[in-house]
Amino acid sequence: QSALTQPASVSGSPGQSITISCTGTSSDVGGYNYVSWYQQHPGRAPKLMIYDVSKRPSGVSNRFSGSKSGNTASLTISGLQAEDEAAYYCSSHTSYSIVLFGGGTKLTVL
Amino acid sequence: EVHLVESGGGLVKPGGSLRLSCAASGFTFSCCSMNWVRQAPGKGLEWVSSISSRSSYIYYADSVKGRFTISRDNAKNSLYLQMNSLRAEDTAVYYCARGFTEGFDFWGQGTLVTVSS
Repeated sequence: QSALTQPASVSGSPGQSITISCTGTSSDVGGYNYVSWYQQHPGRAPKLMIYDVSKRPSGVSNRFSGSKSGNTASLTISGLQAEDEAAYYCSSHTSYSIVLFGGGTKLTVL
Repeated sequence: EVHLVESGGGLVKPGGSLRLSCAASGFTFSCCSMNWVRQAPGKGLEWVSSISSRSSYIYYADSVKGRFTISRDNAKNSLYLQMNSLRAEDTAVYYCARGFTEGFDFWGQGTLVTVSS
């Protein structure tokens, strides 16, 4: 199976909002509410930011939100801060009982 | 506090084998599905394998099926990945992570596997 499709990069200024998309198919993103988003700073392990499309783990800022429409999921970060600069990955459970990741999106805070 | 600590990485020749371990603490290990996820240098995340809490369900990515074997020992709070017939493209940092459909909520710091002659 192919990886989920994410934009390679996005950017925004402090205080602004940005949205990262994650496109799959009806066999993964569109078929299940099992989309997750991860933040990864250079040299660090990934951190779960969103699970089950729109749920936030304890301790994750409410500036991070998730949604889904059809085969595309989205991560929105509002009130951008310098520390949000990182790589972001989406993932989805699939009909084949495997997990797919997106290719990753590099967020630059200008 | 949840801790996952991977070990066993290193340099191995193509065609060789390696066994990774992940020691878990801070939670009831037997409750949870566990996973291996890898990241090649400068690349994105790639899911490798998952195992359910009692080892009843095991899944592999096509890229490792038939070569890698995931297992766990709940009495030892440990997760394993036996990697055989290693290839250059298996070079990556290997992370163990807790969870499954609900997302991977805790990750170890990773162990580097380098496959090179």
